[in-house]
Amino acid sequence: AQTVTQSQPEMSVQEAETVTLSCTYDTSESDYYLFWYKQPPSRQMILVIRQEAYKQQNATENRFSVNFQKAAKSFSLKISDSQLGDAAMYFCAYLPGANSKLTFGKGITLSVRP
Amino acid sequence: EAGVTQFPSHSVIEKGQTVTLRCDPISGHDNLYWYRRVMGKEIKFLLHFVKESKQDESGMPNNRFLAERTGGTYSTLKVQPAELEDSGVYFCASSGGTDTQYFGPGTRLTVL
Repeated sequence: AQTVTQSQPEMSVQEAETVTLSCTYDTSESDYYLFWYKQPPSRQMILVIRQEAYKQQNATENRFSVNFQKAAKSFSLKISDSQLGDAAMYFCAYLPGANSKLTFGKGITLSVRP
Repeated sequence: EAGVTQFPSHSVIEKGQTVTLRCDPISGHDNLYWYRRVMGKEIKFLLHFVKESKQDESGMPNNRFLAERTGGTYSTLKVQPAELEDSGVYFCASSGGTDTQYFGPGTRLTVL
């Protein structure tokens, strides 16, 4: 069975600084998808970034980028130039294929200090 | 385009009562998922509809949970009778056949 591990329950970053959130996963599949979702205190969960496992290039979305290490089964999220609005819970998730169920990590609470 | 909506946003009920949660997916999305997050734990999959059919209900905890999706549009999740351990946030997500699932705001269920 697939598992997703987020070992850090909380992190804090100074506004305008860079922070990296860690995620590891376990799977025997070779093709799959990985996601980072953000859930601000208002509770709406928003997709931050997605990565297709067969693509070696790391995904980027503006200030958000990932470091995808397929052999190590690691999928970390880097947030550059952190903003107060980045404060939220971040979930790492694994998807074996389209129309499948997501497997989530426990999440990490990120706080941003002004 | 409207996103995934859920109703109610918060429900507080007594143990033994019945509660029905509703999810309206993004229009045109055939795939609808229910997930649940119990306090301090991972978000866990409950079940997956494709149109009105249950594709995968392997995550449903027991027969006190009943999900329906009549007509392949909105879905309801009924808990009857509710137990204390059912408390948590229930999320609905939908997708249009791609790998990306779009989530609703969730329903926070509190069973006293």
